[in-house]
Amino acid sequence: SQQGEEDPQALSIQEGENATMNCSYKTSINNLQWYRQNSGRGLVHLILIRSNEREKHSGRLRVTLDTSKKSSSLLITASRAADTASYFCATVLYNQGGKLIFGQGTELSVKP
Amino acid sequence: GAGVSQSPSNKVTEKGKDVELRCDPISGHTALYWYRQSLGQGLEFLIYFQGNSAPDKSGLPSDRFSAERTGGSVSTLTIQRTQQEDSAVYLCASVGGVNTGELFFGEGSRLTVL
Repeated sequence: SQQGEEDPQALSIQEGENATMNCSYKTSINNLQWYRQNSGRGLVHLILIRSNEREKHSGRLRVTLDTSKKSSSLLITASRAADTASYFCATVLYNQGGKLIFGQGTELSVKP
Repeated sequence: GAGVSQSPSNKVTEKGKDVELRCDPISGHTALYWYRQSLGQGLEFLIYFQGNSAPDKSGLPSDRFSAERTGGSVSTLTIQRTQQEDSAVYLCASVGGVNTGELFFGEGSRLTVL
């Protein structure tokens, strides 16, 4: 079973709306990261949040982490058509030397 | 180089043949990952190299899969006796250090086994 599971699997919104994606995980983590992937090729790192942090911002991105619920959310505000991509959360498992495990991803479609 | 480089970008092979996929990480990066991604799916962890430590091979799906990292730099993923279910995009990523955490991905090698 996957360490990280994103919800929803697919999300379709209009330009200008906010998009929220959730990630749940099973075991203790050192940090949690979000990545974006266009066209099924290389992934691009978006943001990293450490286990002792609760919220982090980067431009139009806001990430929260709730370690008691083993969950994280990624909020993209004022979405643009160019935000259309797949978004993955990834967790660095506690005490496993930095091994990074990815979830199944959320496919976001932003319609102009 | 400036980024992670993978070759070949596309490989079509016949069932039963061996293939080698190459990854050139960012110079100086100490850790290197291989992942596999089937169409429309998430990333499946395969193997992880960290410095001079023994690699974490826990994700390799069978003994037909192997990987090595020579001189702490270039890595090669070898798939022997390929099967149709091996068809996927194989992604390599490198990391600058344990404390940075951010993975830098290559564009992947798309393998098609006929």
